[in-house]
Amino acid sequence: KAGVTQTPRYLIKTRGQQVTLSCSPISGHRSVSWYQQTPGQGLQFLFEYFSETQRNKGNFPGRFSGRQFSNSRSEMNVSTLELGDSALYLCASSLGPGEYKYFGAGTRLSVL
Amino acid sequence: QQPVQSPQAVILREGEDAVINCSSSKALYSVHWYRQKHGEAPVFLMILLKGGEQKGHEKISASFNEKKQQSSLYLTASQLSYSGTYFCGTQGGSGSNYKLTFGKGTLLTVNP
Repeated sequence: KAGVTQTPRYLIKTRGQQVTLSCSPISGHRSVSWYQQTPGQGLQFLFEYFSETQRNKGNFPGRFSGRQFSNSRSEMNVSTLELGDSALYLCASSLGPGEYKYFGAGTRLSVL
Repeated sequence: QQPVQSPQAVILREGEDAVINCSSSKALYSVHWYRQKHGEAPVFLMILLKGGEQKGHEKISASFNEKKQQSSLYLTASQLSYSGTYFCGTQGGSGSNYKLTFGKGTLLTVNP
């Protein structure tokens, strides 16, 4: 069974640009969550989608947005990038909300 | 609200035991435990639910005190492979809000 796939693995962008990250969950999983990981801050919750609906949202500015498609694949978009957005972005999938999660390897975003 | 983990870091010799604690200021529905090795994705270890249900790896032991909103992860007879950062994640309230919020992590190092 294939795991959670995140693409791309690495990204380098400059301030002001926008970026889209992609996450393909494990087959059969309908819930996808996104987290931002930076040194010393742990895993900061961004949002969670289930059946194409955003179920929860973390305390991030509106520049961070996401969506989920009918095949459960999810995308996360960050507009007007700032230096502080440099981080590892992790996607996690689960059968449903509240279930334990399987994490992808992440997309490492560097904003210059 | 982010749960608080303690200690922040612990160093063990192979065969020694360790306890990692996780506490929240809010009533909890569930506690999740994950381990992340350097450069890898977090991996699910255990989920503890309000009411006493547990799901997870057989070799991992944990407790959940619902009244105190606290959980502890017990690592006994540690092995080198136990090294990594341990994260607890909490879901609050009745469980209808499935937002999983993680602590900042506990770095565990097991030396030969």
